[in-house]
Amino acid sequence: SQTIHQWPATLVQPVGSPLSLECTVEGTSNPNLYWYRQAAGRGLQLLFYSVGIGQISSEVPQNLSASRPQDRQFILSSKKLLLSDSGFYLCAWSQTGDEQYFGPGTRLTVT
Amino acid sequence: GNSVTQMEGPVTLSEEAFLTINCTYTATGYPSLFWYVQYPGEGLQLLLKATKADDKGSNKGFEATYRKETTSFHLEKGSVQVSDSAVYFCALRGDTNAGKSTFGDGTTLTVKP
Repeated sequence: SQTIHQWPATLVQPVGSPLSLECTVEGTSNPNLYWYRQAAGRGLQLLFYSVGIGQISSEVPQNLSASRPQDRQFILSSKKLLLSDSGFYLCAWSQTGDEQYFGPGTRLTVT
Repeated sequence: GNSVTQMEGPVTLSEEAFLTINCTYTATGYPSLFWYVQYPGEGLQLLLKATKADDKGSNKGFEATYRKETTSFHLEKGSVQVSDSAVYFCALRGDTNAGKSTFGDGTTLTVKP
């Protein structure tokens, strides 16, 4: 069966510090991968998606970036965090035509 | 582009009450429609889905019917339980765009004993 992991589960970082969130998927090959952000009490905002290794599409211009160094690994990064980057970050995967499967999320607080 | 509009919350019900959460969509082509549920502090889980007009998705007592004529996919449950308290998201996946989904803003449901 397929599983999706995210880490860390929670993170508190000062403004201006770097960020690296990791997501890995097991039990499937060549998945579509997605990064979402969910602000408190709000819906989901799609940040990035990827249809293959090294292929990243950005949905919202900002100080975040994403990379996919391996088929089932998706990384969200920032060189300098802003207060507005605080939120709940969700990674998800899908096979084309199917529903999305979400990871447990990372709660990021920028102080 | 695609969009999803769902009923604003929060919704508060007593146990065993009837639940309806409205969802309407705008999309080109023939999208698939989904309801996801998010329990506190967790990621989203698929609750049910429908892939073509007039399909009914169902799971755990929840149901939703894909109505193309009214572009709607309303979520219903006949008798809610305290354990149903969560945030519910309506979503659509278009038939293009790398499987990207468009999500509604979520509706928070609280069920009181």
